[in-house]
Amino acid sequence: DAGVTQTPRHEVAEKGQTIILKCEPVSGHNDLFWYRQTKIQGLELLSYFRSKSLMEDGGAFKDRFKAEMLNSSFSTLKIQPTEPKDSAVYLCASSQQGDTLYFGAGTRLSVL
Amino acid sequence: GDKVKQSPSALSLQEGTNSALRCNFSIAATTVQWFLQNPRGSLMNLFYLVPGTKENGRLKSAFDSKESYSTLHIRDAQLEDSGTYFCAAEVYNQGKLIFGQGTKLSIKP
Repeated sequence: DAGVTQTPRHEVAEKGQTIILKCEPVSGHNDLFWYRQTKIQGLELLSYFRSKSLMEDGGAFKDRFKAEMLNSSFSTLKIQPTEPKDSAVYLCASSQQGDTLYFGAGTRLSVL
Repeated sequence: GDKVKQSPSALSLQEGTNSALRCNFSIAATTVQWFLQNPRGSLMNLFYLVPGTKENGRLKSAFDSKESYSTLHIRDAQLEDSGTYFCAAEVYNQGKLIFGQGTKLSIKP
């Protein structure tokens, strides 16, 4: 079985650009999470979907971050416009109804 | 304050020794998960726990929901055990996990 797949693995953006990160959860999982990881803040929850419904949109990340789940096997995270402080690793994870959580390899974003 | 507090924040061990990592919760955790992030950045799930204990090879983990803590014991540490260990707790019916700040473990030959 394929695990959680994230693309691209690396992204470099200029300040002000729009970027879209992609995630395919483990087949059959109905929970999908987007996290941001930095050395200072650690793992921060950006969005949480259950059965494609948005359960949490990460509060402080609302204004420039938008996650969508158009179908049960694909999710996107759009950052618009990007700022240098958005440089981080973005992790997607999935689970079956709150059970064992599986992470993707992450997308390393650098905003210049 | 931190809802999930991990200790120690960093630890250095000789190969072949044993260690214990701990998570304390200030929330009513119903399940706990432990993860290892290797030096390349990949996060791997080690344990999913309801109250009780689990063992897998040289790793053993316990979760006590009444006393609000969880432990991860590593026996006979090997070089490949190096990385950052995270614990994460779920509060009943919230679906999402709250992560600790991690314990960075370095194993020396």
